[in-house]
Amino acid sequence: QQQVKQSPQSLIVQKGGISIINCAYENTAFDYFPWYQQFPGKGPALLIAIRPDVSEKKEGRFTISFNKSAKQFSLHIMDSQPGDSATYFCAAKNSGSARQLTFGSGTQLTVLP
Amino acid sequence: KAGVTQTPRYLIKTRGQQVTLSCSPISGHRSVSWYQQTPGQGLQFLFEYFSETQRNKGNFPGRFSGRQFSNSRSEMNVSTLELGDSALYLCASSMGQGSDTQYFGPGTRLTVL
Repeated sequence: QQQVKQSPQSLIVQKGGISIINCAYENTAFDYFPWYQQFPGKGPALLIAIRPDVSEKKEGRFTISFNKSAKQFSLHIMDSQPGDSATYFCAAKNSGSARQLTFGSGTQLTVLP
Repeated sequence: KAGVTQTPRYLIKTRGQQVTLSCSPISGHRSVSWYQQTPGQGLQFLFEYFSETQRNKGNFPGRFSGRQFSNSRSEMNVSTLELGDSALYLCASSMGQGSDTQYFGPGTRLTVL
């Protein structure tokens, strides 16, 4: 019940296109859903995060869509650029004071020039 | 503000040895979490410390331990190293009270021979 399932495993998009990565969860106690971007040799960097009381959040070219009833959330990257090529992880945190993040398995995004 | 720093960045050990990794959180942050990242298992939560107390622990054997000092700096220790402990060990810093946002350091790459 602690799993977060992420798809696709890899994604190739043309420059200027829209990249969409999906995640699904089972644990209804999750109350915080961040997305992280990781480049090779670096630690994950927080991109954007959402809570279940909001259906969509946008920051620049990055948008999270959240469907509480379906227990799914997704990351949309608009106008994808070659510099966006990285691994993206969704994650979820239980309600409460502990800050344990449960991560999805990651999506390797390649944006072709 | 300076980001999360981790030392050393790279480490090579042999089976049976022990290792200590260090993490300095962002100034003012009181919560430090540790994660293990491997190609096979992805990102997995090890433990979280807040105000020098372990608040939560993941599903790892007792060979993995940690502590936090009064200045919020944290160390994790792995004893009796096994080949499977080869991984990127990531530290994440959070303000603690009232904040779920976690900022990751660059990680320590541990190789066990």
